[in-house]
This record gives sequence, structure tokens and C-alpha cells, in this order.
Amino acid sequence: GQQVMQIPQYQHVQEGEDFTTYCNSSTTLSNIQWYKQRPGGHPVFLIQLVKSGEVKKQKRLTFQFGEAKKNSSLHITATQTTDVGTYFCAGPYFNKFYFGSGTKLNVKP
Amino acid sequence: NAGVTQTPKFQVLKTGQSMTLQCAQDMNHEYMSWYRQDPGMGLRLIHYSVGAGITDQGEVPNGYNVSRSTTEDFPLRLLSAAPSQTSVYFCASSGTGDSALGEAFFGQGTRLTVV
Repeated sequence: GQQVMQIPQYQHVQEGEDFTTYCNSSTTLSNIQWYKQRPGGHPVFLIQLVKSGEVKKQKRLTFQFGEAKKNSSLHITATQTTDVGTYFCAGPYFNKFYFGSGTKLNVKP
Repeated sequence: NAGVTQTPKFQVLKTGQSMTLQCAQDMNHEYMSWYRQDPGMGLRLIHYSVGAGITDQGEVPNGYNVSRSTTEDFPLRLLSAAPSQTSVYFCASSGTGDSALGEAFFGQGTRLTVV
């Protein structure tokens, strides 16, 4: 069946360091979405990538969608304490969202 | 806009009790879904609906029922609560375009404990 794998599970960084999380799907996706969940909160949509090889930036966040539309990454440059939370990728496939298990980011001030 | 409204926020049940988690959205989305979130396991799909009168099972449907009588509402029923159903539950809705699911809007979540 369809699977979305995400690594790493946890990442602890010093404030100012960079952070990257990776997402891999077992099948080709029509699009991939990224969400952020703050501790105790609910997932909040960050971005959607649709095109093969697409790269999008939101301030210090850079999102990439692989050429085969099966993998994606989120890179945060110079992390801040406000970046703390769990980042999920999600791929829709036949009327279902398949979420990665998430990467929990902790940022030490 | 209220977005997705989910109630209650917290609930404690005894084993064997039943309850309904409410979910309503005001964005006229056809697609609605329920997830449970357990530590280290991400979001797992329980049930989903592509429109009023249509529901289908997700990854972990056992012990849960849903119905979709209107576009706005998508309640989740726990038939006979078990400790294994202790979790955080999220309702979400999405628009659909270009034959693909769009951005998911999540409710605030329900923290359920079954004792």
C-alpha cells in the first residue's frame, strides 16, 4: 500500500543552525504538502508543491519536490526558537492523505 | 470564518462508554476526515468522506463510526471505548481541485483518555 516515510524522527539543534527533514513516498504523488504542528496544537498548512523539481521559499524555509514526485524536503536556514514543533509532509493519494510520521524539531536558545 | 470547529477539547471516558466527537466546517469543503495522533506515529486516518452521504474507511477504522448527512458536519462515534483509543483526535477538511486534495484545515483537536 501507499506509504510516506519521513526522517529524521527527532532533531535537536542550537539556535542559528540549519535543519532539514526528508520525505519519501512509495508512489508518485500529484502534490505534496507540508504542515507544522506546535506543541499542544494542531497541524497548520505551510505549503503545497505540485510540479516536478519545484522549489519554493518562505523566508528561511525552502521546500523542494523531487523530479520523480516521490520525495520532498524542507530546509530551515538559521533556526529560531519559534521554529520549534513537529513538521509533517503529506501526500494525497486516491482520496486519502498519507502523512509522514513527522520530524520533531527542538531548538536550544 | 470559523474554519473547522471540533468539540469537545478534552474528554475522559470509562471503558465501554460511547461518545460522539463533533466536527463542523464552514468552508463548503466536500472532503472531510478524522485522524488520530499517537506519540511517534504521526496522523493516522480513521474515516473520511468525499461528500454528503458518502463515507469510507481509512487506515484504522475499527471501533469508530461516521456519518455525513450534511456538507458541514462529520461526527465521529466511538461505539464502546477502549483504553487503546486513548489518543488525540483531529478532524480536517479540504477543498478539491484538479482532481487532487488541497490544503487540509484542522480542528483544534480532542484529547481523549479512556480509563
